[in-house]
Amino acid sequence: GAGVSQSPRYKVAKRGQDVALRCDPISGHVSLFWYQQALGQGPEFLTYFQNEAQLDKSGLPSDRFFAERPEGSVSTLKIQRTQQEDSAVYLCASSLTSGAVDTQYFGPGTRLTVL
Amino acid sequence: GQNIDQPTEMTATEGAIVQINCTYQTSGFNGLFWYQQHAGEAPTFLSYNVLDGLEEKGRFSSFLSRSKGYSYLLLKELQMKDSASYLCAVRSRQTGANNLFFGTGTRLTVIP
Repeated sequence: GAGVSQSPRYKVAKRGQDVALRCDPISGHVSLFWYQQALGQGPEFLTYFQNEAQLDKSGLPSDRFFAERPEGSVSTLKIQRTQQEDSAVYLCASSLTSGAVDTQYFGPGTRLTVL
Repeated sequence: GQNIDQPTEMTATEGAIVQINCTYQTSGFNGLFWYQQHAGEAPTFLSYNVLDGLEEKGRFSSFLSRSKGYSYLLLKELQMKDSASYLCAVRSRQTGANNLFFGTGTRLTVIP
Protein backbone atom coordinates (compact mmCIF):
# COMPACT_ATOMS: atom_id res chain seq x y z
CA GLY A 1 0.00 0.00 0.00
CA ALA A 2 0.92 3.64 -0.19
CA GLY A 3 3.30 5.05 2.37
CA VAL A 4 3.30 8.44 4.02
CA SER A 5 3.25 11.24 1.48
CA GLN A 6 4.10 14.89 1.94
CA SER A 7 3.64 17.94 -0.23
CA PRO A 8 5.21 20.01 -1.47
CA ARG A 9 8.55 18.23 -1.57
CA TYR A 10 10.36 21.56 -1.84
CA LYS A 11 9.26 25.00 -0.75
CA VAL A 12 11.09 28.28 -1.06
CA ALA A 13 9.67 31.18 0.91
CA LYS A 14 10.70 34.74 1.43
CA ARG A 15 11.25 35.74 5.02
CA GLY A 16 7.96 36.81 6.53
CA GLN A 17 5.77 34.65 4.32
CA ASP A 18 3.41 32.03 5.69
CA VAL A 19 3.75 28.42 4.53
CA ALA A 20 1.59 25.31 4.83
CA LEU A 21 3.02 21.81 4.65
CA ARG A 22 0.78 18.82 4.07
CA CYS A 23 1.08 15.24 5.31
CA ASP A 24 -1.00 12.27 4.17
CA PRO A 25 -0.39 9.42 6.62
CA ILE A 26 -0.80 5.75 5.88
CA SER A 27 -4.52 5.01 5.74
CA GLY A 28 -5.90 3.94 9.09
CA HIS A 29 -2.92 5.07 11.11
CA VAL A 30 -4.01 6.58 14.39
CA SER A 31 -0.86 8.44 15.36
CA LEU A 32 0.83 11.22 13.42
CA PHE A 33 4.07 13.01 14.23
CA TRP A 34 5.89 16.04 12.85
CA TYR A 35 9.66 16.34 13.10
CA GLN A 36 12.12 19.02 11.99
CA GLN A 37 15.49 17.92 10.60
CA ALA A 38 18.28 20.42 10.15
CA LEU A 39 21.13 19.62 7.78
CA GLY A 40 23.44 17.00 9.22
CA GLN A 41 21.27 16.46 12.29
CA GLY A 42 18.76 13.89 13.43
CA PRO A 43 15.03 14.66 13.36
CA GLU A 44 13.69 16.69 16.28
CA PHE A 45 10.16 16.18 17.55
CA LEU A 46 7.65 18.97 16.97
CA THR A 47 4.16 17.67 17.70
CA TYR A 48 2.00 14.52 17.99
CA PHE A 49 -1.61 13.73 17.13
CA GLN A 50 -3.72 10.79 18.13
CA ASN A 51 -6.56 10.85 15.62
CA GLU A 52 -7.67 14.50 15.55
CA ALA A 53 -6.42 15.31 19.05
CA GLN A 54 -3.11 17.11 19.38
CA LEU A 55 -1.73 15.42 22.49
CA ASP A 56 1.75 16.88 22.54
CA LYS A 57 3.01 20.12 21.03
CA SER A 58 5.96 20.57 23.33
CA GLY A 59 8.46 20.56 20.46
CA LEU A 60 6.99 23.45 18.49
CA PRO A 61 9.74 26.10 18.61
CA SER A 62 7.48 29.15 18.76
CA ASP A 63 3.90 30.30 18.46
CA ARG A 64 4.54 30.86 14.75
CA PHE A 65 4.23 27.09 14.33
CA PHE A 66 0.77 25.57 14.23
CA ALA A 67 -0.40 22.07 13.31
CA GLU A 68 -3.81 20.57 12.80
CA ARG A 69 -5.41 17.27 11.86
CA PRO A 70 -9.12 18.13 11.84
CA GLU A 71 -10.52 14.82 10.60
CA GLY A 72 -7.91 12.51 12.05
CA SER A 73 -6.27 11.83 8.72
CA VAL A 74 -4.44 14.53 6.72
CA SER A 75 -2.38 16.96 8.75
CA THR A 76 -1.08 20.42 7.98
CA LEU A 77 1.88 22.14 9.59
CA LYS A 78 1.68 25.90 9.21
CA ILE A 79 4.53 28.30 9.82
CA GLN A 80 3.67 31.96 10.02
CA ARG A 81 6.07 34.82 9.29
CA THR A 82 8.85 32.44 8.30
CA GLN A 83 12.40 33.20 9.37
CA GLN A 84 15.71 31.93 8.03
CA GLU A 85 16.21 29.64 11.01
CA ASP A 86 13.04 27.78 9.95
CA SER A 87 14.94 26.39 6.95
CA ALA A 88 14.99 22.62 7.40
CA VAL A 89 13.38 19.40 6.24
CA TYR A 90 10.01 18.82 7.87
CA LEU A 91 9.25 15.13 8.26
CA CYS A 92 5.89 13.58 8.96
CA ALA A 93 5.55 10.08 10.42
CA SER A 94 2.56 7.89 11.22
CA SER A 95 2.03 4.75 13.24
CA LEU A 96 -0.84 2.30 13.30
CA THR A 97 -1.80 2.65 16.92
CA SER A 98 -0.93 4.78 19.90
CA GLY A 99 0.97 1.96 21.54
CA ALA A 100 4.43 2.68 22.84
CA VAL A 101 6.03 -0.09 20.82
CA ASP A 102 4.52 0.91 17.51
CA THR A 103 6.85 1.63 14.61
CA GLN A 104 6.77 5.08 13.04
CA TYR A 105 6.83 5.27 9.23
CA PHE A 106 8.24 8.44 7.76
CA GLY A 107 7.35 10.43 4.69
CA PRO A 108 9.98 11.88 2.32
CA GLY A 109 9.79 15.29 3.94
CA THR A 110 9.34 18.85 2.75
CA ARG A 111 12.54 20.81 2.34
CA LEU A 112 11.80 24.41 3.33
CA THR A 113 14.23 27.14 2.37
CA VAL A 114 13.59 30.62 3.72
CA LEU A 115 15.43 33.38 1.89
CA GLY B 1 17.97 15.76 30.19
CA GLN B 2 18.44 13.34 27.36
CA ASN B 3 21.47 12.61 25.25
CA ILE B 4 22.43 10.24 22.47
CA ASP B 5 25.98 9.78 21.23
CA GLN B 6 26.94 8.03 18.03
CA PRO B 7 29.96 8.46 15.75
CA THR B 8 29.55 11.10 13.10
CA GLU B 9 31.11 9.19 10.23
CA MET B 10 32.35 5.68 9.46
CA THR B 11 33.89 4.05 6.39
CA ALA B 12 33.87 0.33 5.64
CA THR B 13 34.66 -1.94 2.73
CA GLU B 14 32.13 -3.75 0.58
CA GLY B 15 31.56 -7.29 1.88
CA ALA B 16 32.85 -6.48 5.35
CA ILE B 17 31.07 -6.14 8.71
CA VAL B 18 30.58 -2.82 10.46
CA GLN B 19 29.30 -2.02 13.95
CA ILE B 20 27.73 1.36 14.69
CA ASN B 21 27.57 2.18 18.38
CA CYS B 22 25.05 4.31 20.20
CA THR B 23 25.06 5.36 23.85
CA TYR B 24 22.15 7.12 25.46
CA GLN B 25 21.10 8.77 28.69
CA THR B 26 17.43 9.08 29.49
CA SER B 27 14.97 8.29 32.24
CA GLY B 28 12.04 5.94 31.87
CA PHE B 29 13.57 4.12 28.90
CA ASN B 30 10.91 2.54 26.70
CA GLY B 31 12.63 1.31 23.56
CA LEU B 32 15.45 1.99 21.12
CA PHE B 33 15.07 2.23 17.36
CA TRP B 34 17.48 2.22 14.46
CA TYR B 35 16.56 3.94 11.21
CA GLN B 36 18.40 4.15 7.89
CA GLN B 37 18.27 7.39 5.94
CA HIS B 38 19.64 7.86 2.44
CA ALA B 39 20.43 11.43 1.46
CA GLY B 40 17.27 13.34 0.63
CA GLU B 41 15.00 10.46 1.55
CA ALA B 42 12.78 9.43 4.44
CA PRO B 43 14.18 7.53 7.40
CA THR B 44 13.24 3.87 7.10
CA PHE B 45 12.78 1.57 10.07
CA LEU B 46 15.47 -1.06 10.65
CA SER B 47 15.08 -2.44 14.14
CA TYR B 48 13.57 -2.08 17.59
CA ASN B 49 14.93 -3.23 20.96
CA VAL B 50 13.24 -2.87 24.32
CA LEU B 51 14.76 -5.84 26.16
CA ASP B 52 18.46 -6.65 26.54
CA GLY B 53 19.99 -8.80 23.88
CA LEU B 54 20.44 -9.22 20.18
CA GLU B 55 17.74 -8.89 17.53
CA GLU B 56 18.70 -10.31 14.15
CA LYS B 57 17.02 -9.45 10.89
CA GLY B 58 18.83 -10.67 7.81
CA ARG B 59 22.07 -8.78 7.29
CA PHE B 60 21.19 -6.36 10.10
CA SER B 61 21.35 -7.04 13.84
CA SER B 62 20.81 -4.72 16.77
CA PHE B 63 21.94 -5.16 20.36
CA LEU B 64 20.77 -3.46 23.53
CA SER B 65 22.14 -3.25 27.06
CA ARG B 66 19.81 -1.17 29.19
CA SER B 67 22.10 -1.19 32.23
CA LYS B 68 24.90 0.33 30.16
CA GLY B 69 22.70 2.64 28.09
CA TYR B 70 24.27 1.12 25.01
CA SER B 71 23.19 -0.24 21.67
CA TYR B 72 24.87 -1.19 18.45
CA LEU B 73 23.75 -1.86 14.90
CA LEU B 74 25.68 -4.57 13.09
CA LEU B 75 25.67 -4.67 9.31
CA LYS B 76 27.06 -7.79 7.64
CA GLU B 77 28.09 -8.43 4.03
CA LEU B 78 28.14 -4.73 3.32
CA GLN B 79 26.81 -3.57 -0.03
CA MET B 80 27.35 -0.25 -1.75
CA LYS B 81 23.66 0.56 -1.23
CA ASP B 82 24.24 0.48 2.53
CA SER B 83 25.95 3.86 2.25
CA ALA B 84 23.56 6.04 4.25
CA SER B 85 23.05 7.71 7.62
CA TYR B 86 22.05 5.45 10.49
CA LEU B 87 19.94 7.09 13.17
CA CYS B 88 19.68 5.84 16.74
CA ALA B 89 16.51 6.96 18.55
CA VAL B 90 15.05 6.32 21.99
CA ARG B 91 11.55 6.49 23.35
CA SER B 92 11.04 7.16 27.01
CA ARG B 93 8.66 8.66 29.47
CA GLN B 94 10.92 11.70 29.25
CA THR B 95 10.22 12.13 25.53
CA GLY B 96 6.51 11.86 25.97
CA ALA B 97 4.24 8.95 25.33
CA ASN B 98 5.25 8.09 21.83
CA ASN B 99 7.62 10.49 20.16
CA LEU B 100 11.26 9.62 19.49
CA PHE B 101 14.45 11.39 20.51
CA PHE B 102 17.05 11.00 17.78
CA GLY B 103 20.81 11.13 17.73
CA THR B 104 22.59 13.11 15.04
CA GLY B 105 23.16 9.98 12.96
CA THR B 106 26.21 8.11 11.71
CA ARG B 107 27.07 8.62 8.05
CA LEU B 108 28.37 5.31 6.71
CA THR B 109 30.34 5.21 3.48
CA VAL B 110 30.88 1.82 1.87
CA ILE B 111 33.89 1.69 -0.45
CA PRO B 112 34.72 -0.96 -3.07
